[in-house]
Amino acid sequence: AQKITQTQPGMFVQEKEAVTLDCTYDTSDQSYGLFWYKQPSSGEMIFLIYQGSYDEQNATEGRYSLNFQKARKSANLVISASQLGDSAMYFCAMNSNAGGTSYGKLTFGQGTILTVHP
Amino acid sequence: SAVISQKPSRDICQRGTSLTIQCQVDSQVTMMFWYRQQPGQSLTLIATANQGSEATYESGFVIDKFPISRPNLTFSTLTVSNMSPEDSSIYLCSVVDAVTDTQYFGPGTRLTVL
Repeated sequence: AQKITQTQPGMFVQEKEAVTLDCTYDTSDQSYGLFWYKQPSSGEMIFLIYQGSYDEQNATEGRYSLNFQKARKSANLVISASQLGDSAMYFCAMNSNAGGTSYGKLTFGQGTILTVHP
Repeated sequence: SAVISQKPSRDICQRGTSLTIQCQVDSQVTMMFWYRQQPGQSLTLIATANQGSEATYESGFVIDKFPISRPNLTFSTLTVSNMSPEDSSIYLCSVVDAVTDTQYFGPGTRLTVL
């Protein structure tokens, strides 16, 4: 079974500063994917960034980067130059890329509420 | 990236009634996934919908309560049957981009049951 742990219920950051949202995971699969999503108050789930377990380089997407430390089973999200519009709930999730019936099933963490102060 | 639309975006329903949620994708996908997010909670997978076969339900979810249709490779529906206030949630459909392994979500349907 897979498990995602987000230990920060809430985080605060000053506008234009960088912030790191923590995520640790547990799985017995050799091939898996790690995701971060942003959920504003509207409820939609916005895809931010993806890291495959066999990717050697950390994923980056604009102001988002994923600090992937496989041995420590951590996949922290780093948001650089925070903006007021970054205030939202952030979810870390994982799936199995082993194929079969588990492919595409995401296991989510409990989320972290990020508040950006002006 | 896949573009996913859902209808309705929100609804307020009476106890004991049913609501059918539609999910449309702009490209053909093998599997579509339905998730539920109860208030203040994380997302939980309800079922996986494959075209041409019965949906596969996760533990705690049954077909009589959440019947799913998958008539073609771009469309699926989820029905929430005999609703109670505990069914008040956001319901989201999701697809996987098989080329990038990235998973995308529709905008969600916010359901309130009175």
